[in-house]
Amino acid sequence: AQTVTQSQPEMSVQEAETVTLSCTYDTSESDYYLFWYKQPPSRQMILVIRQEAYKQQNATENRFSVNFQKAAKSFSLKISDSQLGDAAMYFCAYRSLLMDSNYQLIWGAGTKLIIKP
Amino acid sequence: DGGITQSPKYLFRKEGQNVTLSCEQNLNHDAMYWYRQDPGQGLRLIYYSQIVNDFQKGDIAEGYSVSREKKESFPLTVTSAQKNPTAFYLCASSIGQFAYNEQFFGPGTRLTVL
Repeated sequence: AQTVTQSQPEMSVQEAETVTLSCTYDTSESDYYLFWYKQPPSRQMILVIRQEAYKQQNATENRFSVNFQKAAKSFSLKISDSQLGDAAMYFCAYRSLLMDSNYQLIWGAGTKLIIKP
Repeated sequence: DGGITQSPKYLFRKEGQNVTLSCEQNLNHDAMYWYRQDPGQGLRLIYYSQIVNDFQKGDIAEGYSVSREKKESFPLTVTSAQKNPTAFYLCASSIGQFAYNEQFFGPGTRLTVL
């Protein structure tokens, strides 16, 4: 069974600086999707970025980018120019492409990101 | 505006009572999901539905029940058989069930058992 591990329960960064959140996963599959979701204090879960495993190029969305290392099974999220509104819980999630998985999302435990003004 | 609504935002229940959490979406999505979130843990899937009148158990379905009589609605009932129901419950939907389909989430319901 697939697992997702976020080893940093909490991270803090100074406003305007760059921070990287770690995520590792375990799978025997060759193709799959990986996601980073943000959950601010309002608790509404929001998709930040997604990566399909067969695509070599790292996904980017404005100030958010990923470092996808398929062989190492690592999927870190880099937030550049951190802003106060980036303060939230960040969850990494894995999704199989196999039909017998029912395409369920497998979630990490989350990293709480604190932005220092 | 299209989106997902969940009600109520906060819910208190006495032990032994069943309660129903509402989830409605106007995104015309086929698939809907219920997750449970506990502190320090990732989301865990309770039930999901890929189409009207059909639903499947997730990883932690015991003590919960659902129905999907309308495309827009996917209510979750927390029964008295659920031994530790205090948690935050999130409903989600996606246009289809496939891996590349983004899941959109509602604002959640906080259930507390007194």
